[in-house]
Amino acid sequence: SQQGEEDPQALSIQEGENATMNCSYKTSINNLQWYRQNSGRGLVHLILIRSNEREKHSGRLRVTLDTSKKSSSLLITASRAADTASYFCARAQGGSEKLVFGKGTKLTVNP
Amino acid sequence: DGGITQSPKYLFRKEGQNVTLSCEQNLNHDAMYWYRQDPGQGLRLIYYSQIVNDFQKGDIAEGYSVSREKKESFPLTVTSAQKNPTAFYLCASSINSGRPRGELFFGEGSRLTVL
Repeated sequence: SQQGEEDPQALSIQEGENATMNCSYKTSINNLQWYRQNSGRGLVHLILIRSNEREKHSGRLRVTLDTSKKSSSLLITASRAADTASYFCARAQGGSEKLVFGKGTKLTVNP
Repeated sequence: DGGITQSPKYLFRKEGQNVTLSCEQNLNHDAMYWYRQDPGQGLRLIYYSQIVNDFQKGDIAEGYSVSREKKESFPLTVTSAQKNPTAFYLCASSINSGRPRGELFFGEGSRLTVL
């Protein structure tokens, strides 16, 4: 399968804690993107990291990319109940015009 | 405001009927996409279009058809040949059609249920 794996499948934490989600993939990539999906809604783009970048920040989000291990992580710091959603990574694979999405991590932040 | 509009939000269909899902964007994006999402699953690409009057099959095109007669519009028809059409359908667009793929902008989705 071209899909990578996201880990964990589900994560439940308390407000104020940090949440870390991981994404692994199998083939070379041009960039890797993270998206958020609230229940029953469309996806919203969070951050894009290119293959020559190792870390990017956006507000409370921090994304890392390790191309040698073919993995990426999304860290949400000081989580809030409003962060409750599913988070997906998507890979723009080398030589392909398509984005390949993982199955996502369902994050629940308890107030 | 610019964005992507999908309609209808909910749709019920009897077996054997074709249905068409609408997707309109006013972002002036060249590329448009249709994805299917099943419960607890990621997104699977049905069809995509990089330019008007041209489109390509994605990973699960069987039982679906599309058209791209206008830059703003990319309707998806779910035909009776699609064996398991009950799903959440998402339309997306991106500013460029080249490689590598950039950020996708998504609509709010259409939920199709076959009765």
